[in-house]
Amino acid sequence: NAGVTQTPKFRILKIGQSMTLQCTQDMNHNYMYWYRQDPGMGLKLIYYSVGAGITDKGEVPNGYNVSRSTTEDFPLRLELAAPSQTSVYFCASSHGKETQYFGPGTRLLVL
Amino acid sequence: LAKTTQPISMDSYEGQEVNITCSHNNIATNDYITWYQQFPSQGPRFIIQGYKTKVTNEVASLFIPADRKSSTLSLPRVSLSDTAVYYCLVGDPTGTASKLTFGTGTRLQVTL
Repeated sequence: NAGVTQTPKFRILKIGQSMTLQCTQDMNHNYMYWYRQDPGMGLKLIYYSVGAGITDKGEVPNGYNVSRSTTEDFPLRLELAAPSQTSVYFCASSHGKETQYFGPGTRLLVL
Repeated sequence: LAKTTQPISMDSYEGQEVNITCSHNNIATNDYITWYQQFPSQGPRFIIQGYKTKVTNEVASLFIPADRKSSTLSLPRVSLSDTAVYYCLVGDPTGTASKLTFGTGTRLQVTL
């Protein structure tokens, strides 16, 4: 049982490039979340999903897109990377709206 | 949204009991109080959750007074490995996920 896994661990992007952050969970959780954490700050919710095919915006969705075609996977897409998107991105999952289990994070640097 | 206020940082010696208080004056009737722990370069990890009075598990205790406008996370006999950031969250576990907000947390430094 690997829990929540995220790839890549670290990535450098140039301004305007696009990329997809991958997130997979093997706990059969219906809820999945994407957060970003800027240095010295708390986590901010970007998008979340309550099940396959259902997604909704969180606190800071601008510049990001998500999809949820399966229970296990919840990729986060950055279409036009900007320096303001330099951050650490965490994916999490939960059974219903209870305790969230977090992945190890993806560190993204946009130059 | 119920806003939370925590001390920015705390220092403790190894073996002491640490109490971190969180203020949440506008907590709603259906809101629960949840604490997470985050080590550097890792995602947050659930510690404890409660609604009222006292909750205890193998890691910590959570004290919630009758008015529920504050709560205190108690870590008994901390060790160096308890050095981390601790987040207090207030939200309705039956409501929408977007109502769960992580503040800046309390940075606990444990030394010998």
